[in-house]
Amino acid sequence: EAGVAQSPRYKIIEKRQSVAFWCNPISGHATLYWYQQILGQGPKLLIQFQNNGVVDDSQLPKDRFSAERLKGVDSTLKIQPAKLEDSAVYLCASSLGGRGAYNEQFFGPGTRLTVL
Amino acid sequence: AQSVTQLGSHVSVSEGALVLLRCNYSSSVPPYLFWYVQYPNQGLQLLLKYTSAATLVKGINGFEAEFKKSETSFHLTKPSAHMSDAAEYFCAVMSNAGNMLTFGGGTRLMVKP
Repeated sequence: EAGVAQSPRYKIIEKRQSVAFWCNPISGHATLYWYQQILGQGPKLLIQFQNNGVVDDSQLPKDRFSAERLKGVDSTLKIQPAKLEDSAVYLCASSLGGRGAYNEQFFGPGTRLTVL
Repeated sequence: AQSVTQLGSHVSVSEGALVLLRCNYSSSVPPYLFWYVQYPNQGLQLLLKYTSAATLVKGINGFEAEFKKSETSFHLTKPSAHMSDAAEYFCAVMSNAGNMLTFGGGTRLMVKP
């Protein structure tokens, strides 16, 4: 079974530029998550989708971050414009859906963003 | 609100020695608890999870964790460290009302030959 795919793996941009990350979840997984992992910290949830609808985006900085999952499969996370503090690894995860601990999240390898 | 505290951002053990990584949680409702491992340049992999079925949970690669409600702890152990165990370990909590994970800050495990 193929895992969660993310691209690009690495990205270096200058502040105030725009950047986009792509995620393709495991086939059949209804729920998709984007996390931000700053160096030395644990992942922090940015946004959660159930199919193509947003379940939770309370921690997404909406003035500069946006995300979409138009067809309920793959997803794009965008930052416009980027700030220095956005330097982090952006992790995508997916799960079958539903609630509770049996709804295991599977993580992709992440995209490491460096903002200069 | 729920939170996780991992004591010790870095832990160093010798190969063959006991591994003990500490995790304390705060949750207003009975939680689900998880340990994930992250190898360099990779995503997170689930090691084990507590779902209230048994307080001692066994996971992959010889790891286990014990849920202690009185101590609000879920420490991760392994009897004998292997060089391949060197990685970052994250404890996470999920309320049984939802599916949102809250992670601790992580502990980097180093294994000396």
